[in-house]
Amino acid sequence: TAGITQAPTSQILAAGRSMTLRCTQDMRHNAMYWYRQDLGLGLRLIHYSNTAGTTGKGEVPDGYSVSRANTDDFPLTLASAVPSQTSVYFCASSQGLGNTEAFFGQGTRLTVV
Amino acid sequence: GENVEQHPSTLSVQEGDSAVIKCTYSDSASNYFPWYKQELGKRPQLIIDIRSNVGEKKDQRIAVTLNKTAKHFSLHITETQPEDSAVYFCAASPNYGGSQGNLIFGKGTKLSVKP
Repeated sequence: TAGITQAPTSQILAAGRSMTLRCTQDMRHNAMYWYRQDLGLGLRLIHYSNTAGTTGKGEVPDGYSVSRANTDDFPLTLASAVPSQTSVYFCASSQGLGNTEAFFGQGTRLTVV
Repeated sequence: GENVEQHPSTLSVQEGDSAVIKCTYSDSASNYFPWYKQELGKRPQLIIDIRSNVGEKKDQRIAVTLNKTAKHFSLHITETQPEDSAVYFCAASPNYGGSQGNLIFGKGTKLSVKP
């Protein structure tokens, strides 16, 4: 069982370039999330989706966009990367929004130079 | 919105001792409180959770307590082992009139268990 997978595992990106981080789950979970993890700041929610076709802003949404065209996929796009977006990005999914176990992907380490 | 404070940021204990990590939350509407463990270089994984209608929950060496009046909850690990060394995150999720909000995480506690 794959669970939830992210791609790529790591990436070095030039500032000003765009990039899409991919996330796919095969658990038929309704809710999906994107978090960024920075040392000393924990996990901060970027965007979330309650169900296919709907998305919402989290704690730190600026500079990021998401879409949820179907249940399985939840890509995160950086339109014009800046160095402050250097971070480890985790995608997660759960059956319901916020009240059941969240399953995390393996993470994407992004460095913006 | 919800704000979760977690203490301490680092904790070092001797193998066999107990470890306690404490979290406070700001939104009285929060009703779901999970704890995640993240080993070095790996993804966070749920270890235990508690809902607001319960004051305490145990799972082998791990227990969580919840004080709704004071708006704080704690993780207790007994008989610690080196494999308990990891970063632990608490989280809280509010419910507004039947509509559940997102999980908001604390900043994490790095636990080191010395053999």
